[in-house]
Amino acid sequence: GENVEQHPSTLSVQEGDSAVIKCTYSDSASNYFPWYKQELGKRPQLIIDIRSNVGEKKDQRIAVTLNKTAKHFSLHITETQPEDSAVYFCAASINSGNTPLVFGKGTRLSVIA
Amino acid sequence: ETGVTQTPRHLVMGMTNKKSLKCEQHLGHNAMYWYKQSAKKPLELMFVYNFKEQTENNSVPSRFSPECPNSSHLFLHLHTLQPEDSALYLCASSQSPTGGAEAFFGQGTRLTVV
Repeated sequence: GENVEQHPSTLSVQEGDSAVIKCTYSDSASNYFPWYKQELGKRPQLIIDIRSNVGEKKDQRIAVTLNKTAKHFSLHITETQPEDSAVYFCAASINSGNTPLVFGKGTRLSVIA
Repeated sequence: ETGVTQTPRHLVMGMTNKKSLKCEQHLGHNAMYWYKQSAKKPLELMFVYNFKEQTENNSVPSRFSPECPNSSHLFLHLHTLQPEDSALYLCASSQSPTGGAEAFFGQGTRLTVV
């Protein structure tokens, strides 16, 4: 089955700096890669996703890149703000078939003001 | 609100107790999931239901027993749990059980087994 590895497990950045979180996946058939943000005491919520037919997607200060050949994808947050502090999860799955999302172990991001 | 509601929010139970967790979604989704979130395995899939039928059981011990009476409701029945079962239990739903559809999570039930 699919296996998703996520790094780093913790990340601290100064406010205004950029943050990058990286994930690798094992199943070359996977073609859907969402990112979830979980603030302290709250539920995980989708912030951005990418499908295998594109290499990059951007939404304001966040962007995701995908390298299908290397089977890795990354989340980029620019101009970080304290409210970006949270746990971020990457996930992978196959768009067709009966395979639900497989999540990475999460990255705890701390943005220091 | 994302439309996925879990009750109770907090639960403390003894190892000999029997309790149930409830999840309800008002999004018209046909797939529902139970995830376990702990420090060791942050988002561990437990069960998947599609149109009320269980499609995946991720090697979960039998002391956890899911029930899905309809596409809008999902239960997790608990009995003779162990302290290591203490965790946050998250319910989620999506339009389909496959990937490619956003999963919406409930706020979770914080379970403590004493």
